[in-house]
Amino acid sequence: DVKVTQSSRYLVKRTGEKVFLECVQDMDHENMFWYRQDPGLGLRLIYFSYDVKMKEKGDIPEGYSVSREKKERFSLILESASTNQTSMYLCASSPPGLSGGAFFGQGTRLTVV
Amino acid sequence: AQSVTQLGSHVSVSEGALVLLRCNYSSSVPPYLFWYVQYPNQGLQLLLKYTSAATLVKGINGFEAEFKKSETSFHLTKPSAHMSDAAEYFCAVRDPRSARQLTFGSGTQLTVLP
Repeated sequence: DVKVTQSSRYLVKRTGEKVFLECVQDMDHENMFWYRQDPGLGLRLIYFSYDVKMKEKGDIPEGYSVSREKKERFSLILESASTNQTSMYLCASSPPGLSGGAFFGQGTRLTVV
Repeated sequence: AQSVTQLGSHVSVSEGALVLLRCNYSSSVPPYLFWYVQYPNQGLQLLLKYTSAATLVKGINGFEAEFKKSETSFHLTKPSAHMSDAAEYFCAVRDPRSARQLTFGSGTQLTVLP
C-alpha cells in the first residue's frame, strides 16, 4: 500500500514559535505538496516540490517555507506562527506522470494560540 | 488559469436515493479531472479520475462521473446512497501542460439520511 505519513495528527503551538511539519512518502515519488484546508475554501496549495532541493510557490506561500533535502521527505516550516495559520495541513505526493492523482497523508490539525 | 466550482456546499439525500454532486471546471485546454473523498479526520482518498480516455469514468465504492466538454462539467453520481457515503467530496482539476498539482473546489459535504 502506498503511504504518505505526516509526523503529527494534532499540534498546538504558541504565537511566534517556529513550527515544523514533517511529511514522508514511501512511493519514490518525485512530486510532493503541502496544502492548507479551511472550511468553505477547499484545499489551497502552499508549496510544491518536483525534485530534491527544488520548490515552487503555490497560491498562499506567505508565512511559510519548505525544505526538501531527501526525495522521501518534505517539510513545511512556519517561521513565526500566527493565529491565522490555525488550520488543517495536508501533505501529498504524486508520480511524475501528469495524469496521475495525488496520494494524501492523514493531515495535521495545527492550532496556534 | 484553471478553476473548479462545486455547486452546493451541503447536499442531503436519503439512504437508497441517487447521489449527484456537481462540479464545473474552467480550463483553456482539456484538463485532467479528479474526485476525492474525505472522511472525518482523515486525508483525501482518490475516488476516480478522467484523463481523456472514456468520458464515463467508474470509481471506487460504486461512484462514477461523466466528463461533458460542452458543459465543462464532471458531475459525480451514485445510484443508491449508503450511510457510509457520508463524507466531504472534492472535485479537482489539473492542467496537462503544467507540472503544478491539482486545483481543488471548495468541497461538498454529503449527508445521508436514514
